[in-house]
Amino acid sequence: SQTIHQWPATLVQPVGSPLSLECTVEGTSNPNLYWYRQAAGRGLQLLFYSVGIGQISSEVPQNLSASRPQDRQFILSSKKLLLSDSGFYLCAWRLLGGPMNTEAFFGQGTRLTVV
Amino acid sequence: AQTVTQSQPEMSVQEAETVTLSCTYDTSESDYYLFWYKQPPSRQMILVIRQEAYKQQNATENRFSVNFQKAAKSFSLKISDSQLGDAAMYFCAYRSASNTGKLIFGQGTTLQVKP
Repeated sequence: SQTIHQWPATLVQPVGSPLSLECTVEGTSNPNLYWYRQAAGRGLQLLFYSVGIGQISSEVPQNLSASRPQDRQFILSSKKLLLSDSGFYLCAWRLLGGPMNTEAFFGQGTRLTVV
Repeated sequence: AQTVTQSQPEMSVQEAETVTLSCTYDTSESDYYLFWYKQPPSRQMILVIRQEAYKQQNATENRFSVNFQKAAKSFSLKISDSQLGDAAMYFCAYRSASNTGKLIFGQGTTLQVKP
């Protein structure tokens, strides 16, 4: 069965510090991968998605970047965090080429607080 | 661009009663998918129900059912026999039929279940 791991679960970082959040998927190959952010009391906003190794699409201009160094690994990064980067970050995957009504599966999320 | 709107920030229901959560969306596409996700206090995103736009029949999953009105671009969720465990934030989401699998979320509705 497929599983998705996301870490760390919580993170408190000072303004100006770097960031690296990691997400890995097990039990499947060549998934579509996604990073979403959820601001307090709000819906999820798609930040990045990837349809393959090294292929990253950005949805909104921001202080963050994403990379996919391996098929089932998706990393969210920042060189210098801003206060506005605080939020709840969710990684998700969906099987590429599967049934078009296949839902996305989400990780447990990372609560990032920038202080 | 597609948008999803949930006009009810908060709803409450008595245990064992029925509640309906509203969702409207805007799109120029004819082929797409709609979802309701549940986010309990653990913040894990859980798929509740999905609907393919090409299907006229409303989807049902046990106590959960939808009222899909394609012409009106409306997609409401009905929860019957509400249980305490149904208390959560509920998100309506849209996905195009394209292969990127990007989800567009509404702002969410917080559902309170009263014993």
